[in-house]
Amino acid sequence: EAGVAQSPRYKIIEKRQSVAFWCNPISGHATLYWYQQILGQGPKLLIQFQNNGVVDDSQLPKDRFSAERLKGVDSTLKIQPAKLEDSAVYLCASSLHPSPSSYNEQFFGPGTRLTVL
Amino acid sequence: AQKITQTQPGMFVQEKEAVTLDCTYDTSDQSYGLFWYKQPSSGEMIFLIYQGSYDEQNATEGRYSLNFQKARKSANLVISASQLGDSAMYFCAMTPGGAGSYQLTFGKGTKLSVIP
Repeated sequence: EAGVAQSPRYKIIEKRQSVAFWCNPISGHATLYWYQQILGQGPKLLIQFQNNGVVDDSQLPKDRFSAERLKGVDSTLKIQPAKLEDSAVYLCASSLHPSPSSYNEQFFGPGTRLTVL
Repeated sequence: AQKITQTQPGMFVQEKEAVTLDCTYDTSDQSYGLFWYKQPSSGEMIFLIYQGSYDEQNATEGRYSLNFQKARKSANLVISASQLGDSAMYFCAMTPGGAGSYQLTFGKGTKLSVIP
């Protein structure tokens, strides 16, 4: 079974430029997450999709970040314009339909390391 | 709001010895899940073990076991017979139970180094 795919793996941009990241979840996984991991910290959730609808985007800086999940499969995360503090690893994860009676194991992709100069 | 605290920024362990990584959590939820993930230098997060808040037995997965003390709100990871390949960052995380958002709240992590 193929895992979560992300591209690019690395990206270097200058501040005020825009950038986009792509994620392809595991086939059949309805839930998709984007996390931001700043160096020395644990990942922080930016946005959660259930199929193509947003479940939680309370920690997404909506003035510069946007995300979409077309047709409930692939997803893109965009930053426009980028700031120095956006330098981080952006992790995509996916999981099956969660239910109250079972835990929700999330499978992570390799991440995209963004450096903003 | 949920919070995870990992107080050990770094740990060293001799190969073949056991090591305990500490994790305490704070939540007002009655139902929740606790997870441990491993992050090697390559960057991907690898799921290790899960404990549900209503599980009476401590979870075990191979060389990994979770020492769950609900009254103390602690969920320590025990790695037995450490191997060189265990050198990595380890993150404790939790998720609320019930329907709705299943976001993981992570701690800051512990860097484990296994010494030959």
